[in-house]
Amino acid sequence: QKEVEQDPGPLSVPEGAIVSLNCTYSNSAFQYFMWYRQYSRKGPELLMYTYSSGNKEDGRFTAQVDKSSKYISLFIRDSQPSDSATYLCAFDLTNAGNMLTFGGGTRLMVKP
Amino acid sequence: ETGVTQTPRHLVMGMTNKKSLKCEQHLGHNAMYWYKQSAKKPLELMFVYSLEERVENNSVPSRFSPECPNSSHLFLHLHTLQPEDSALYLCASSGGGSGANVLTFGAGSRLTVL
Repeated sequence: QKEVEQDPGPLSVPEGAIVSLNCTYSNSAFQYFMWYRQYSRKGPELLMYTYSSGNKEDGRFTAQVDKSSKYISLFIRDSQPSDSATYLCAFDLTNAGNMLTFGGGTRLMVKP
Repeated sequence: ETGVTQTPRHLVMGMTNKKSLKCEQHLGHNAMYWYKQSAKKPLELMFVYSLEERVENNSVPSRFSPECPNSSHLFLHLHTLQPEDSALYLCASSGGGSGANVLTFGAGSRLTVL
């Protein structure tokens, strides 16, 4: 079993749709949960950062963590063509920085 | 310049060549990383330097040799690579304290090994 499962997509949605991106994980010791966004020909950039379970909202983005189900989600409301990118989930045991585990990424395409 | 800068952005090399990738960060961070990104695979951590000392080496083949002369610069020296080493090589940095696991990535160096 892979430590992190993430559907590679591509996921194609019309502009204005609500997007749901998800990752499942197997390591119950993960404490930090992150979403990175990677545009074509760019490096990943941190989008959302959460510690432990619950929801976190930032503008059109909501990150949700369900530790009991080992499942995290990223919701994008009113999606825009500029949201077209690959979204990577990432997990950490501690905040030391050298133990991050990444998903393979989901490619999202928002059509105008 | 701000952020994390990687050069060259693209590199094509033969299997017998020796080349180097360079990374520079202007964020005052004290840790730097090399990651390998292959198509449809998760990011693979290759090397971590914290305060200029290597703290993690995930069994990377010796044909990859990192160098960190100071906290702002990181190199990845390449020699006798294989075609399967073709990938995007990403450099990242992070600060200490509560932000130690928040990575700032460069745009990457796209490597093609012929």
